[in-house]
Amino acid sequence: KAGVTQTPRYLIKTRGQQVTLSCSPISGHRSVSWYQQTPGQGLQFLFEYFSETQRNKGNFPGRFSGRQFSNSRSEMNVSTLELGDSALYLCASTRGGSSYNSPLHFGNGTRLTVT
Amino acid sequence: DQQVKQNSPSLSVQEGRISILNCDYTNSMFDYFLWYKKYPAEGPTFLISISSIKDKNEDGRFTVFLNKSAKHLSLHIVPSQPGDSAVYFCAARDQGGSEKLVFGKGMKLTVNP
Repeated sequence: KAGVTQTPRYLIKTRGQQVTLSCSPISGHRSVSWYQQTPGQGLQFLFEYFSETQRNKGNFPGRFSGRQFSNSRSEMNVSTLELGDSALYLCASTRGGSSYNSPLHFGNGTRLTVT
Repeated sequence: DQQVKQNSPSLSVQEGRISILNCDYTNSMFDYFLWYKKYPAEGPTFLISISSIKDKNEDGRFTVFLNKSAKHLSLHIVPSQPGDSAVYFCAARDQGGSEKLVFGKGMKLTVNP
């Protein structure tokens, strides 16, 4: 079974630009979550999508948004990039559904550098 | 407000000995706990988990213990191997219905040959 796939692996953007990151979950997984990892803050939850609906959102500004498609693939978008947005962005998937205790499986992330 | 805490930033052990990684949490609504291992430039890899209705779960060399009254969990690795050297994250899920995980800040384990 293929794991969680994130594209691209690396991105360099300039302040003020916007960026879109892509995530393909493990086949059969309906829940997709996004996390930001920085050296100072560790792994911070951005949002979670389940069956195309945002089910939870972390404490990030509105410049961070996401969506999920009918095939469970997900994208996240960051607009008006700031230097502080430089981070490793991780996508994770799981089966989802309240009857499961199923671990999240992570992709290898997209390393975003804002200059 | 840090709901999941890994108070020790690093641990160094000898190959073949036991590694004990600790984690404390404050939110009594957490119902599912996980440990992840992470190498640089890679995503976290799931190791082992435990539901709040259990106090122990074992998988090969890895055992997780949960003490709900103390809001404490620990990961035991026996025997430790040099390939176990990585950063370990403790995570917890709120029983609110989503899959959101709250992570500790991680602990670097070094296993010396």
